[in-house]
Amino acid sequence: QKEVEQNSGPLSVPEGAIASLNCTYSDRGSQSFFWYRQYSGKSPELIMFIYSNGDKEDGRFTAQLNKASQYVSLLIRDSQPSDSATYLCAVRRGFQKLVFGTGTRLLVSP
Amino acid sequence: ETGVTQTPRHLVMGMTNKKSLKCEQHLGHNAMYWYKQSAKKPLELMFVYSLEERVENNSVPSRFSPECPNSSHLFLHLHTLQPEDSALYLCASSQEVGDRSYEQYFGPGTRLTVT
Repeated sequence: QKEVEQNSGPLSVPEGAIASLNCTYSDRGSQSFFWYRQYSGKSPELIMFIYSNGDKEDGRFTAQLNKASQYVSLLIRDSQPSDSATYLCAVRRGFQKLVFGTGTRLLVSP
Repeated sequence: ETGVTQTPRHLVMGMTNKKSLKCEQHLGHNAMYWYKQSAKKPLELMFVYSLEERVENNSVPSRFSPECPNSSHLFLHLHTLQPEDSALYLCASSQEVGDRSYEQYFGPGTRLTVT
């Protein structure tokens, strides 16, 4: 079992819709969770981080964490074509180690 | 721009060459990281430096040799690489306070091709 699992996609949504990206993790001791956006040929860019169960909102982005289910998600409201990218879920295991998923490719069509 | 710079941005080297990748962070962070990103694979942590001391070496072959002369600079020295080492090499930095490590910010990466 992979430590961090994401559906590779692509996830296709129309412009203006809500995109829902999901991630599961295997280590119950994981403490904090991150979403990075990576455009093709570019480096990962931090979008959101969440440490506690529940929802955390930042503009059009909402991160949701459910530690009991070992599940973290990212919702993007009012999706734009510029949101088309690969979204990486990362889980902190231990002090400094981040474990990344393989990413979900999101395509937002005009 | 995240405040983390990397040079060179692209590098082509033969298997017998020796080269170095450079990373510099302007964020005042005290921890720096090297990651490798290959196609269809998740980001792989290679090395972690905290307060200029190496705290993690993730079973990386000895042909990769990191160096951290101060908290703002990180190098990755490369020698006798293999074609399978071709990948995007990413540097990141974060701030550690006590026993807590905060978010990591990535540089633009070095696209390495080994011929």
